[in-house]
Amino acid sequence: DTGVSQDPRHKITKRGQNVTFRCDPISEHNRLYWYRQTLGQGPEFLTYFQNEAQLEKSRLLSDRFSAERPKGSFSTLEIQRTEQGDSAMYLCASSWTQDRGTHEQYFGPGTRLTVT
Amino acid sequence: RKEVEQDPGPFNVPEGATVAFNCTYSNSASQSFFWYRQDCRKEPKLLMSVYSSGNEDGRFTAQLNRASQYISLLIRDSKLSDSATYLCVVSGRSNFGNEKLTFGTGTRLTIIP
Repeated sequence: DTGVSQDPRHKITKRGQNVTFRCDPISEHNRLYWYRQTLGQGPEFLTYFQNEAQLEKSRLLSDRFSAERPKGSFSTLEIQRTEQGDSAMYLCASSWTQDRGTHEQYFGPGTRLTVT
Repeated sequence: RKEVEQDPGPFNVPEGATVAFNCTYSNSASQSFFWYRQDCRKEPKLLMSVYSSGNEDGRFTAQLNRASQYISLLIRDSKLSDSATYLCVVSGRSNFGNEKLTFGTGTRLTIIP
């Protein structure tokens, strides 16, 4: 399978704990995105990388959230001191972009986080 | 006003019927437009891009009206497998000049046998 993969698929954690999610994009894609989706809503943009550079972060991404893409391949999203409001599906997507245009994004299966 | 607004749904439609979804967007500088499909507890998957001239892919037709900032998706001869949530997606530039996709909340479609 050469699509976007995410790990773990499900995570249950207690409030106050730290969690880390991993995303492996489609190998030739240079852009990687993180989104958060809650029930009944569309995905909300969190942050994105072009190669290893983090180009933008949403104001939704509080100081407790950090994302990295150290070698321009896989990415990690860490949430520190989790809160119940962090419970959501965390989606990763990737795309290939050579110019300033917008190209289709391909999503991974997501990591469903439940904070108890 | 939300950046991307969709019909509230849900739509419950008999098999074989034609169904239309509408979507409006607020940023007149938006450049690219897409429809994504999302099955229950699955990730969104690209259904089709929307071009200025309108485009068709089998039973699916997408149209864009830039003047009215309006996008539509038409599904003809609907099938049970079309049951899903349909997300309207618009690209634009963030305050930092980077491209970003903004998703609507989605419209849930259920095809009834």
